[in-house]
Parts: sequence; structure tokens; C-alpha cells
Amino acid sequence: DQQVKQNSPSLSVQEGRISILNCDYTNSMFDYFLWYKKYPAEGPTFLISISSIKDKNEDGRFTVFLNKSAKHLSLHIVPSQPGDSAVYFCAASLNTGGFKTIFGAGTRLFVKA
Amino acid sequence: SQTIHQWPATLVQPVGSPLSLECTVEGTSNPNLYWYRQAAGRGLQLLFYSVGIGQISSEVPQNLSASRPQDRQFILSSKKLLLSDSGFYLCAWSVGGGYEQYFGPGTRLTVT
Repeated sequence: DQQVKQNSPSLSVQEGRISILNCDYTNSMFDYFLWYKKYPAEGPTFLISISSIKDKNEDGRFTVFLNKSAKHLSLHIVPSQPGDSAVYFCAASLNTGGFKTIFGAGTRLFVKA
Repeated sequence: SQTIHQWPATLVQPVGSPLSLECTVEGTSNPNLYWYRQAAGRGLQLLFYSVGIGQISSEVPQNLSASRPQDRQFILSSKKLLLSDSGFYLCAWSVGGGYEQYFGPGTRLTVT
């Protein structure tokens, strides 16, 4: 039962262009959504998050959009940089706090110089 | 500042052998602690979480167990490893009711 799905296993983008990573979820009870970035042989690092009461959150080059009616969120990276090349995990949490966090399978982003 | 340590970084163990992975957190008190596993090509699967000393909740039935003997120490164990236990094991912490989790560097376990 995949409650959080990242249907694109990989994405390749030219440096300077926009990267858009997508995530779909099935449980309407999720109240908080997060994106994590992971380099090989390292643990994920928190990148950006959004509460279910908002539809957009921005932090520098990173913006997360939430469409609750479609149960869809996306991460935009503008402009993309080679150092952004990593695996990006979408995650969703229930209102029990951080205890019930479901992660997607991840999307590997390649930013070409 | 808070830091999280995991060891060992890599481990190769034969089937049927025991396992003990350790995770410690510094710079915070009463953290929530988590063990995740990432199998090849898969997302992060929550195995255990703990809200305090001796308090362990298991998310999936499996060949593994967890213990929290001290506030900032979390241990993942197995009495007899299976081939399917191979994967990348991650420890994480969060504070109070915070949603953001902070991960350790991980342990790559290969069961042969």
C-alpha cells in the first residue's frame, strides 16, 4: 500500500533551468508534507516542508506547491545547479506529529552543467 | 548544535548471525528516535520509533527488534539475520511534536 508515490524514478535537467519533482498521495488525513534530499551513502537531509493549510511555501531556490484536491505536491528548484543532483524524497505525515511519516520511493535528479 | 551518530558505516554479516546497530544523538534531550530501512530502489520504511526510554513502537513485523536503554541511545538488533535484512539502515531524531526528522549517516548492511 503505497500512500506516497513518486512516479518518476529519475529526472534530468540542464543547469539554470527549472527542476520539477512530483509526488502524489492517497490519504487525505495527511496534514504535513516534507521534501528531503539525499546524497549517496549519506542520510537524507530536510529541505522544505508545507502544512496542509497552505498551498505554497518558498525558501530561496526551492518552492513546494500543494494541491489538496488533487492530492498532489511538487518541488520546484529554480535555477537548478549541478550540486542539486541527488535523490529527493517526498514525505507525508499524519496529525500524530512526526511519528507517522510515510516516504515515497524517491526521484533521482541529474543537473547537467 | 545537535549531532547524530551511527555505527558501523558498513557491515557484512552471514545469514543466521546476530546484529547490533547503534545510534546516539547529542545536543538535545528527550528526542523522538526512529529506525528506517531503505531497500534497493525503495523508499524509506519506518521500522521502529521511540518517544522515551524503554518505549518502543514497531511499525512492521520483522526479524528485528529495537531498544532504547538511554535517552539519546537507540539500538537495532537481530538474533538471526536473514538475507532479506540487507539494506541501508537509517536512524533519525525529531523534537517534541516536530515533523522534521534529522537523519544519521546510515549503515549499509549486507547479509551473505
